[in-house]
Amino acid sequence: SQTIHQWPATLVQPVGSPLSLECTVEGTSNPNLYWYRQAAGRGLQLLFYSVGIGQISSEVPQNLSASRPQDRQFILSSKKLLLSDSGFYLCAWQPRDRVKEENSGNTIYFGEGSWLTVV
Amino acid sequence: DQQVKQNSPSLSVQEGRISILICDYTNSMFDYFLWYKKYPAEGPTFLISISSIKDKNEDGRFTVFLNKSAKHLSLHIVPSQPGDSAVYFCAASAWRVKGAQKLVFGQGTRLTINP
Repeated sequence: SQTIHQWPATLVQPVGSPLSLECTVEGTSNPNLYWYRQAAGRGLQLLFYSVGIGQISSEVPQNLSASRPQDRQFILSSKKLLLSDSGFYLCAWQPRDRVKEENSGNTIYFGEGSWLTVV
Repeated sequence: DQQVKQNSPSLSVQEGRISILICDYTNSMFDYFLWYKKYPAEGPTFLISISSIKDKNEDGRFTVFLNKSAKHLSLHIVPSQPGDSAVYFCAASAWRVKGAQKLVFGQGTRLTINP
Protein backbone atom coordinates (compact mmCIF):
# COMPACT_ATOMS: atom_id res chain seq x y z
CA SER A 1 0.00 0.00 0.00
CA GLN A 2 1.01 3.58 -0.51
CA THR A 3 2.07 5.81 2.35
CA ILE A 4 3.08 9.42 2.65
CA HIS A 5 5.15 10.94 5.42
CA GLN A 6 6.22 14.47 6.09
CA TRP A 7 8.44 15.94 8.79
CA PRO A 8 8.99 17.59 11.08
CA ALA A 9 5.48 17.50 12.55
CA THR A 10 5.98 20.71 14.52
CA LEU A 11 8.44 23.51 14.00
CA VAL A 12 9.01 26.83 15.76
CA GLN A 13 11.38 29.07 13.86
CA PRO A 14 12.49 32.70 14.33
CA VAL A 15 11.82 35.28 11.65
CA GLY A 16 14.60 35.31 9.09
CA SER A 17 15.67 31.71 9.66
CA PRO A 18 15.62 29.06 6.90
CA LEU A 19 13.01 26.34 6.50
CA SER A 20 13.04 22.82 5.15
CA LEU A 21 10.02 20.53 5.24
CA GLU A 22 10.43 17.12 3.71
CA CYS A 23 7.88 14.72 2.29
CA THR A 24 8.31 11.20 0.95
CA VAL A 25 5.88 8.79 -0.66
CA GLU A 26 6.25 5.02 -0.61
CA GLY A 27 4.57 2.30 -2.57
CA THR A 28 4.10 4.12 -5.83
CA SER A 29 6.18 5.57 -8.61
CA ASN A 30 6.00 8.77 -10.60
CA PRO A 31 3.29 10.36 -8.47
CA ASN A 32 2.08 13.92 -8.78
CA LEU A 33 3.15 15.74 -5.63
CA TYR A 34 1.66 18.81 -3.99
CA TRP A 35 2.30 21.25 -1.15
CA TYR A 36 -0.70 22.92 0.45
CA ARG A 37 -0.99 25.38 3.32
CA GLN A 38 -3.84 25.91 5.71
CA ALA A 39 -3.74 29.25 7.46
CA ALA A 40 -5.67 29.64 10.71
CA GLY A 41 -9.45 29.46 10.11
CA ARG A 42 -9.11 29.13 6.37
CA GLY A 43 -9.26 26.49 3.69
CA LEU A 44 -6.37 24.74 2.00
CA GLN A 45 -4.34 26.72 -0.49
CA LEU A 46 -2.23 25.04 -3.14
CA LEU A 47 1.37 26.30 -3.06
CA PHE A 48 3.33 24.03 -5.43
CA TYR A 49 2.82 20.96 -7.54
CA SER A 50 5.18 18.65 -9.39
CA VAL A 51 4.56 16.11 -12.14
CA GLY A 52 8.12 14.79 -12.19
CA ILE A 53 11.69 15.07 -10.91
CA GLY A 54 12.89 18.64 -11.12
CA GLN A 55 9.51 19.88 -12.42
CA ILE A 56 8.00 22.41 -10.06
CA SER A 57 5.07 24.72 -10.65
CA SER A 58 4.18 27.52 -8.29
CA GLU A 59 0.64 28.64 -7.69
CA VAL A 60 1.08 31.83 -5.71
CA PRO A 61 3.98 34.24 -5.38
CA GLN A 62 5.49 33.84 -1.97
CA ASN A 63 8.53 33.51 0.19
CA LEU A 64 8.74 29.75 -0.29
CA SER A 65 10.22 27.39 -2.85
CA ALA A 66 9.90 23.69 -3.59
CA SER A 67 12.15 21.04 -5.02
CA ARG A 68 11.81 17.44 -6.13
CA PRO A 69 15.27 15.87 -6.12
CA GLN A 70 13.94 12.32 -6.36
CA ASP A 71 10.79 10.75 -7.75
CA ARG A 72 9.08 10.33 -4.39
CA GLN A 73 10.62 13.19 -2.45
CA PHE A 74 9.21 16.68 -2.25
CA ILE A 75 10.83 19.47 -0.22
CA LEU A 76 9.42 22.84 0.82
CA SER A 77 12.00 25.50 1.64
CA SER A 78 12.55 29.09 2.53
CA LYS A 79 15.77 31.06 2.88
CA LYS A 80 14.27 33.60 5.29
CA LEU A 81 10.99 32.99 7.05
CA LEU A 82 8.37 35.70 7.57
CA LEU A 83 5.75 35.84 10.30
CA SER A 84 3.10 35.34 7.62
CA ASP A 85 4.60 31.95 6.74
CA SER A 86 3.12 30.46 9.90
CA GLY A 87 0.53 27.79 9.20
CA PHE A 88 -0.20 24.13 8.73
CA TYR A 89 1.63 22.70 5.73
CA LEU A 90 0.42 19.61 3.98
CA CYS A 91 2.15 17.43 1.45
CA ALA A 92 -0.05 15.37 -0.85
CA TRP A 93 0.35 12.81 -3.60
CA GLN A 94 -1.74 11.57 -6.48
CA PRO A 95 -1.31 8.46 -8.61
CA ARG A 96 -0.24 9.27 -12.10
CA ASP A 97 -1.40 7.19 -14.99
CA ARG A 98 1.61 6.46 -17.13
CA VAL A 99 -0.50 5.77 -20.16
CA LYS A 100 -2.62 8.87 -20.14
CA GLU A 101 -1.30 12.36 -19.71
CA GLU A 102 -4.42 13.59 -17.97
CA ASN A 103 -5.26 12.42 -14.49
CA SER A 104 -8.99 12.56 -14.72
CA GLY A 105 -10.58 12.06 -11.35
CA ASN A 106 -7.72 10.58 -9.34
CA THR A 107 -7.93 11.29 -5.66
CA ILE A 108 -5.26 13.30 -3.87
CA TYR A 109 -3.98 11.86 -0.58
CA PHE A 110 -2.53 13.99 2.18
CA GLY A 111 0.27 13.55 4.67
CA GLU A 112 0.00 14.17 8.39
CA GLY A 113 0.86 17.85 8.14
CA SER A 114 3.52 20.09 9.67
CA TRP A 115 2.76 22.93 12.03
CA LEU A 116 5.07 25.89 11.44
CA THR A 117 5.11 28.78 13.87
CA VAL A 118 7.33 31.69 12.98
CA VAL A 119 8.17 33.85 16.00
CA ASP B 1 -12.35 34.97 -5.65
CA GLN B 2 -13.71 32.04 -3.67
CA GLN B 3 -14.61 29.47 -6.31
CA VAL B 4 -15.70 26.85 -3.79
CA LYS B 5 -17.79 27.98 -0.86
CA GLN B 6 -18.94 26.26 2.27
CA ASN B 7 -21.18 28.89 3.76
CA SER B 8 -21.86 27.07 7.01
CA PRO B 9 -18.79 27.27 9.23
CA SER B 10 -20.33 24.87 11.73
CA LEU B 11 -23.11 22.31 12.05
CA SER B 12 -24.41 20.47 15.09
CA VAL B 13 -26.38 17.22 14.69
CA GLN B 14 -27.84 14.67 17.07
CA GLU B 15 -26.25 11.23 17.03
CA GLY B 16 -28.20 8.86 14.80
CA ARG B 17 -29.68 11.65 12.68
CA ILE B 18 -28.65 12.74 9.21
CA SER B 19 -25.86 15.28 8.73
CA ILE B 20 -26.03 17.34 5.55
CA LEU B 21 -23.02 19.41 4.58
CA ILE B 22 -23.32 21.73 1.63
CA CYS B 23 -20.94 23.25 -0.86
CA ASP B 24 -21.45 25.68 -3.74
CA TYR B 25 -19.10 26.43 -6.58
CA THR B 26 -18.90 29.06 -9.26
CA ASN B 27 -16.59 27.61 -11.89
CA SER B 28 -18.62 25.67 -14.46
CA MET B 29 -15.41 23.99 -15.65
CA PHE B 30 -15.13 21.95 -12.45
CA ASP B 31 -15.78 18.33 -13.27
CA TYR B 32 -14.58 16.37 -10.27
CA PHE B 33 -15.55 16.90 -6.66
CA LEU B 34 -14.27 15.44 -3.42
CA TRP B 35 -15.06 15.54 0.28
CA TYR B 36 -12.35 15.33 2.90
CA LYS B 37 -12.59 14.93 6.66
CA LYS B 38 -10.01 16.57 8.88
CA TYR B 39 -9.19 16.26 12.57
CA PRO B 40 -7.13 18.96 14.31
CA ALA B 41 -3.40 18.81 13.58
CA GLU B 42 -3.85 15.99 11.07
CA GLY B 43 -3.91 15.83 7.30
CA PRO B 44 -7.30 15.62 5.54
CA THR B 45 -8.62 12.13 4.92
CA PHE B 46 -10.38 11.40 1.65
CA LEU B 47 -14.03 10.43 2.13
CA ILE B 48 -15.87 10.28 -1.16
CA SER B 49 -15.81 11.80 -4.62
CA ILE B 50 -18.09 12.32 -7.58
CA SER B 51 -17.54 13.00 -11.23
CA SER B 52 -19.68 15.53 -13.07
CA ILE B 53 -21.15 12.77 -15.22
CA LYS B 54 -22.99 11.50 -12.15
CA ASP B 55 -25.45 13.11 -9.77
CA LYS B 56 -25.03 10.72 -6.85
CA ASN B 57 -22.35 8.53 -5.36
CA GLU B 58 -22.76 6.40 -2.28
CA ASP B 59 -20.26 4.71 0.01
CA GLY B 60 -21.63 3.20 3.19
CA ARG B 61 -23.00 5.94 5.41
CA PHE B 62 -21.75 8.66 3.06
CA THR B 63 -23.59 9.89 -0.01
CA VAL B 64 -22.60 12.81 -2.18
CA PHE B 65 -25.12 14.57 -4.41
CA LEU B 66 -24.22 16.85 -7.30
CA ASN B 67 -26.59 19.37 -8.88
CA LYS B 68 -24.67 20.75 -11.84
CA SER B 69 -27.31 23.25 -12.90
CA ALA B 70 -27.29 24.81 -9.45
CA LYS B 71 -23.52 24.29 -9.00
CA HIS B 72 -24.32 22.71 -5.68
CA LEU B 73 -22.81 19.77 -3.88
CA SER B 74 -23.90 18.07 -0.67
CA LEU B 75 -22.61 15.33 1.58
CA HIS B 76 -25.09 13.25 3.56
CA ILE B 77 -23.97 11.20 6.53
CA VAL B 78 -26.52 8.82 7.93
CA PRO B 79 -26.67 7.77 10.64
CA SER B 80 -24.32 10.30 12.20
CA GLN B 81 -21.87 8.98 14.78
CA PRO B 82 -19.73 10.75 17.41
CA GLY B 83 -16.59 9.83 15.45
CA ASP B 84 -17.89 11.89 12.55
CA SER B 85 -17.17 15.07 14.50
CA ALA B 86 -14.49 16.84 12.47
CA VAL B 87 -14.01 19.58 9.90
CA TYR B 88 -15.25 18.64 6.43
CA PHE B 89 -13.77 20.18 3.31
CA CYS B 90 -15.33 20.22 -0.10
CA ALA B 91 -12.91 20.35 -3.03
CA ALA B 92 -13.31 20.74 -6.77
CA SER B 93 -11.02 20.26 -9.74
CA ALA B 94 -10.90 21.35 -13.34
CA TRP B 95 -7.23 21.75 -14.11
CA ARG B 96 -5.28 19.24 -16.13
CA VAL B 97 -1.94 20.97 -16.41
CA LYS B 98 0.67 18.43 -17.50
CA GLY B 99 -1.29 15.71 -15.74
CA ALA B 100 -1.49 17.45 -12.36
CA GLN B 101 -4.87 17.96 -10.79
CA LYS B 102 -5.24 21.12 -8.79
CA LEU B 103 -7.94 21.02 -6.17
CA VAL B 104 -9.73 24.15 -5.01
CA PHE B 105 -10.96 23.80 -1.44
CA GLY B 106 -13.81 25.37 0.44
CA GLN B 107 -13.26 26.93 3.85
CA GLY B 108 -14.53 23.87 5.70
CA THR B 109 -17.51 23.11 7.94
CA ARG B 110 -17.04 21.95 11.50
CA LEU B 111 -19.46 19.11 12.21
CA THR B 112 -20.27 18.24 15.82
CA ILE B 113 -22.27 15.13 16.61
CA ASN B 114 -24.02 15.35 19.94
CA PRO B 115 -24.79 12.18 21.91
